Amino acid sequence: SAVISQKPSRDICQRGTSLTIQCQVDSQVTMMFWYRQQPGQSLTLIATANQGSEATYESGFVIDKFPISRPNLTFSTLTVSNMSPEDSSIYLCSVERGGASYGYTFGSGTRLTVV
Amino acid sequence: AQSVTQLGSHVSVSEGALVLLRCNYSSSVPPYLFWYVQYPNQGLQLLLKYTTGATLVKGINGFEAEFKKSETSFHLTKPSAHMSDAAEYFCAVSAPGGTSYGKLTFGQGTILTVHP
Repeated sequence: SAVISQKPSRDICQRGTSLTIQCQVDSQVTMMFWYRQQPGQSLTLIATANQGSEATYESGFVIDKFPISRPNLTFSTLTVSNMSPEDSSIYLCSVERGGASYGYTFGSGTRLTVV
Repeated sequence: AQSVTQLGSHVSVSEGALVLLRCNYSSSVPPYLFWYVQYPNQGLQLLLKYTTGATLVKGINGFEAEFKKSETSFHLTKPSAHMSDAAEYFCAVSAPGGTSYGKLTFGQGTILTVHP
């Protein structure tokens, strides 16, 4: 399975600021996904990021708040913009390689606290 | 649309006892089904998956799950719990194709506690 390096692992940010989370994969992958895990809750898909095209956002998530870049087949960033305490969550990237039947690999997550 | 229901947000067992974590799904197409485990302050690790073929699938750490189409279930079991199994477990479903391809829908999670 793919190995994912996600940075930063955690951060404490002031409200109104922005944080960019990086996801680096050790091999080329077509599809990358960004999830949010709010405190004590399950994971919710934010968006799908394919190289060479605009990210596709799920209902309730917008590009202005969560801009995503996907410059190549091994890297993606998610920015959490104009943060508020409600954005305090764990953000995880995930990749699929070789088809969905191989499962999805997750990064170790970025634990964000907004104060 | 897909959905996943995990029955029981908390399950507590004694060390050596059977572990049973329940998962029911709803999907308009034959789904792919997954179980993930999350240890404290860590990401998600794939335990096992069902895509096609044999309905009883074996995963890591002695876990297995059985896909029962008639019951729309994918319950996770382990014959004998270890202290190291204490974690949060997530059942997830994805579509094998179409517009939802690649998108995982997760259940609410079940926290497993193992008592000595």
